[in-house]
Amino acid sequence: DIVMTQSPDSLAVSLGERATINCKSSQSVLSSSNYLAWYQQKPGQPPKLLIYWASTRESGVPDRFSGSGSGTDFTLTISSLQTEDVAVYYCQQYYSPLRTFGQGTRVEI
Amino acid sequence: QVQLQESGPGLVKPSETLSLTCTVSGDFFTSYYWTWIRQPPGTGLEWIGYIDSSGRTNYNPSLKSRVTISVDTSKKQFSLNLTSVTAADTAVYYCAREVALTGPVDYWGQGTLVTVSS
Repeated sequence: DIVMTQSPDSLAVSLGERATINCKSSQSVLSSSNYLAWYQQKPGQPPKLLIYWASTRESGVPDRFSGSGSGTDFTLTISSLQTEDVAVYYCQQYYSPLRTFGQGTRVEI
Repeated sequence: QVQLQESGPGLVKPSETLSLTCTVSGDFFTSYYWTWIRQPPGTGLEWIGYIDSSGRTNYNPSLKSRVTISVDTSKKQFSLNLTSVTAADTAVYYCAREVALTGPVDYWGQGTLVTVSS
């Protein structure tokens, strides 16, 4: 299994400040592209796709969300945190037939 | 716009079989991979498996001995059967769509809570 490990488990950021979430995979998820996605989950809702191929923003996702990284180390950055960004964020690899998620990072104001 | 809706019992007894169905509306059904993911209360996401419109499946090895995912393309539905359930199978179960054989999950159902209890 490819183990996905996120850090930190939670973080508190002031409104308008930058939030950075890290995700490390136990083996490379790079082939032709990086097979890595980020999701946002608000309470009582299903996860929502934010970023795929490590850095491609899903349609309709605000440009304050960005993804970077390659191989085994990835980052989700929220450039200017808004109240509606309070949520749990998950990374996921889809390189392996067994898809795996990180444990989640809770972002608070 | 694609919509997915889970249906099925919210309470299952230990040792019995959990059965859920997902109905898909909108868009093409045959071009994607239809997926089940679960989330135990207060914890993270666990991928269960997917099926394509031809019936090819891919299961999480940790659940493979107990899981069957099937598809009915005429009804645009796919289903999950999980046998011999225990309290550890209590979770919100999501049906979802994977974009490709190797692709992210781009659409999710709202999820349905299944509790395993006598």
